[in-house]
Amino acid sequence: DTAVSQTPKYLVTQMGNDKSIKCEQNLGHDTMYWYKQDSKKFLKIMFSYNNKELIINETVPNRFSPKSPDKAHLNLHINSLELGDSAVYFCASRRGQSEGETQYFGPGTRLLVL
Amino acid sequence: GQNIDQPTEMTATEGAIVQINCTYQTSGFNGLFWYQQHAGEAPTFLSYNVLDGLEEKGRFSSFLSRSKGYSYLLLKELQMKDSASYLCAVRDFFYGQNFVFGPGTRLSVLP
Repeated sequence: DTAVSQTPKYLVTQMGNDKSIKCEQNLGHDTMYWYKQDSKKFLKIMFSYNNKELIINETVPNRFSPKSPDKAHLNLHINSLELGDSAVYFCASRRGQSEGETQYFGPGTRLLVL
Repeated sequence: GQNIDQPTEMTATEGAIVQINCTYQTSGFNGLFWYQQHAGEAPTFLSYNVLDGLEEKGRFSSFLSRSKGYSYLLLKELQMKDSASYLCAVRDFFYGQNFVFGPGTRLSVLP
């Protein structure tokens, strides 16, 4: 059983389009995240959300918005896509805020904006 | 703010031991994590340190010195499958308990 799943795995689209990436976790975790990993492999947090609190990395453009229909899902909507948005986007989840709790990552969505 | 630094690339020989260093500066340190990421795949958890000292898990060990803002990941009896990127991540109390990742170290294991 897949713990954290994302769809689609690959996404190729034109500049200016609006797209969404879906994420689901079946671990019963409280907190979910979106990360962006660029071509230099730097993994940067975009959002964390635990159905009570949304924390946004202030460097993330407001064209990006997370949507959580329920505790098991955190989707990422991107408006007016730009060339620089091309990257791998990882969803992750974590059970709680205890010290040693690690995150579990989804397989990633490879976005290419042309 | 936070700052995490790791060497960009390392090369080692199969069967050898390699140490990957990580230095960090953060205002609200609340744990350090190491992840392994193979090319084209997601990061997977390797180890966790919150107190000073060495944590051993099979062939992998991780060390932490909070006063020095320093950690290392030690890989013993290297295997070809250990070729991957190794990411150091710090959990920051003042960053919403979120993780800040270092740039990663790409390790190549040669026969």
